[in-house]
Amino acid sequence: QSVLTQPPSVSGAPGQRVTISCTGSSSNIGAIYHVHWYQQVPGTAPKLLIFDDSNRPSGVPDRFSGSKSGTSASLAITGLQAEDEADYYCQSYDRSLTASVFGTGTKVTVL
Amino acid sequence: EVQLVESGGGLVKPGESLRLSCAASGFSRLGFTDFYMTWVRQAPGKGLEWVGHIKNIRDGGTTEYAAPVKGRFTISRDESKDTLYLQMTSLKSEDTAVYYCTTEYFYYFNHWGQGALVTVSS
Repeated sequence: QSVLTQPPSVSGAPGQRVTISCTGSSSNIGAIYHVHWYQQVPGTAPKLLIFDDSNRPSGVPDRFSGSKSGTSASLAITGLQAEDEADYYCQSYDRSLTASVFGTGTKVTVL
Repeated sequence: EVQLVESGGGLVKPGESLRLSCAASGFSRLGFTDFYMTWVRQAPGKGLEWVGHIKNIRDGGTTEYAAPVKGRFTISRDESKDTLYLQMTSLKSEDTAVYYCTTEYFYYFNHWGQGALVTVSS
């Protein structure tokens, strides 16, 4: 099972700000490892959204931002748009498991 | 633009074997040989699960696997063909999933294939 915990769902109206939490432990997020975020539109492959806690790959709108503190991380989406409706996953590395680990996933619904 | 194309998915019976391939192309600054390559799977209606990875040749080309597949799955790569492989043996119903091939760069996955569906059912 996933060692990174996310809320199952979050929702917001167009234009609003939503945040998604990702809670880990001292063997992953709380260690030296960065947190990365992926967006998956249903029926398609995941896409890298944020890498190394807070960096956006080229082409990702600045409406998406990431942060990390202690054993948790967060993804924020400001100015929510209909096209942001998707599943979002956090990911890090776990030194106890010696494996990359994903979060449980969060479905974002635009009301 | 990097492209990853998986192939080889299908329907198999429990206990059987299957090999997935992932053909990579479109590299510019960094080539296939520079990347670690990873397999990630997603069971129907479920979340993402790391399956395992193979390091680049410069770092030894060694492999690491998730506990549920260790001893049954083998990842390999052919630098001459820019192709990644996943050999799956002793398949179980719980291995049913879409399998994605990804490039791995400093612990994150920056390019993904479209996925290959593997169904294990009698």
